[in-house]
Amino acid sequence: NAGVTQTPKFRILKIGQSMTLQCAQDMNHNYMYWYRQDPGMGLKLIYYSVGAGITDKGEVPNGYNVSRSTTEDFPLRLELAAPSQTSVYFCASTPEEYYGYTFGSGTRLTVV
Amino acid sequence: AQTVTQSQPEMSVQEAETVTLSCTYDTSESDYYLFWYKQPPSRQMILVIRQEAYKQQNATENRFSVNFQKAAKSFSLKISDSQLGDAAMYFCAYRRAGANSKLTFGKGITLSVRP
Repeated sequence: NAGVTQTPKFRILKIGQSMTLQCAQDMNHNYMYWYRQDPGMGLKLIYYSVGAGITDKGEVPNGYNVSRSTTEDFPLRLELAAPSQTSVYFCASTPEEYYGYTFGSGTRLTVV
Repeated sequence: AQTVTQSQPEMSVQEAETVTLSCTYDTSESDYYLFWYKQPPSRQMILVIRQEAYKQQNATENRFSVNFQKAAKSFSLKISDSQLGDAAMYFCAYRRAGANSKLTFGKGITLSVRP
């Protein structure tokens, strides 16, 4: 049982480039989330999804986009990368709101 | 909006001793869930313990236990018999009950364990 799988684990982007962070879960969880973690700031919610075809903005959505065409996959798209998007990105999922999240192993992104 | 506060950025404990990590939160809700997550240097986020607000009994998971004070909006984590593998960053998190609720995290506390 793989849980939540994130790819890539590391990436360096140049300013203005675009990329997609992949997230897949094999637990049939309805709820999926993208967080970013900055030093000393905890985790901030970027986008979330309560099921296939349904997405909504979190606390810090600017500069990002998501889609949820299947229950399993929840990719995060960065358009026109900026240095402020240098961070560690986590994808997470949960079957119901009263459970804790299962997290992926994270993607460390550096924009130079 | 709900907020989660971890006021201590760092703590240190001697191996085999007990340490308590503090967390307070602000909410107007009566039904919610509280969590502690551990993030070791591997970066993986690991759920340590979970507390349901409607339960008065404090949650316990082996060497980890919580002191949940609902009226004071306090949720501290006690680690007994500390081990070197407990060294990590610990995050407190809150989630209200109900649909479309999301976890709100504190800023975290870095715990070091002295051998």
